[in-house]
Amino acid sequence: GNSVTQMEGPVTLSEEAFLTINCTYTATGYPSLFWYVQYPGEGLQLLLKATKADDKGSNKGFEATYRKETTSFHLEKGSVQVSDSAVYFCASSGGSYIPTFGRGTSLIVHP
Amino acid sequence: EADIYQTPRYLVIGTGKKITLECSQTMGHDKMYWYQQDPGMELHLIHYSYGVNSTEKGDLSSESTVSRIRTEHFPLTLESARPSHTSQYLCASRGDTTDGSYEQYFGPGTRLTVT
Repeated sequence: GNSVTQMEGPVTLSEEAFLTINCTYTATGYPSLFWYVQYPGEGLQLLLKATKADDKGSNKGFEATYRKETTSFHLEKGSVQVSDSAVYFCASSGGSYIPTFGRGTSLIVHP
Repeated sequence: EADIYQTPRYLVIGTGKKITLECSQTMGHDKMYWYQQDPGMELHLIHYSYGVNSTEKGDLSSESTVSRIRTEHFPLTLESARPSHTSQYLCASRGDTTDGSYEQYFGPGTRLTVT
């Protein structure tokens, strides 16, 4: 079956540091890949997505590239801010309209 | 901006009470989902629907039930709440996009505490 594995948190960084959150997936076929963000007390919001190999999704300074050869979709940001503190979820589309989510990675950014 | 709503946002009730968590979306999406989110943040799918009069159980065994009488409305009911039902409940809907993919929209969640 499909699965998504992302690095465990919390990830703790100082403001303006470089961020990487690793995500790998297993799936049959060619799923779409997603990153969602959840701020405290809120639901998940779509951050970015990529629908095919070598696609790069980007939004709000975050980027992730769909790497078919390594089955990865790592999230990166060049310079994090305190306001980026949140929980980040990697997800893949499922063949039967049921997406598969990773367990979430908490990011804490200190001033 | 997602047009998906959940009420109540917070609920504290006693054991044995019947409760209904409301979820509505105004985007006309056929596919809707209920997730339970544990304190460790992991999402567990408990129910989903492909459209009106279609409901299915998800991966996580749940004592809740759902109904889908109207496209925009997907309520979740607990007939007899127990402390083990204490959790965050997230509702979501899914809309197809022009690139052949989709986007999933989440409500703000209901935090349920059963005493």
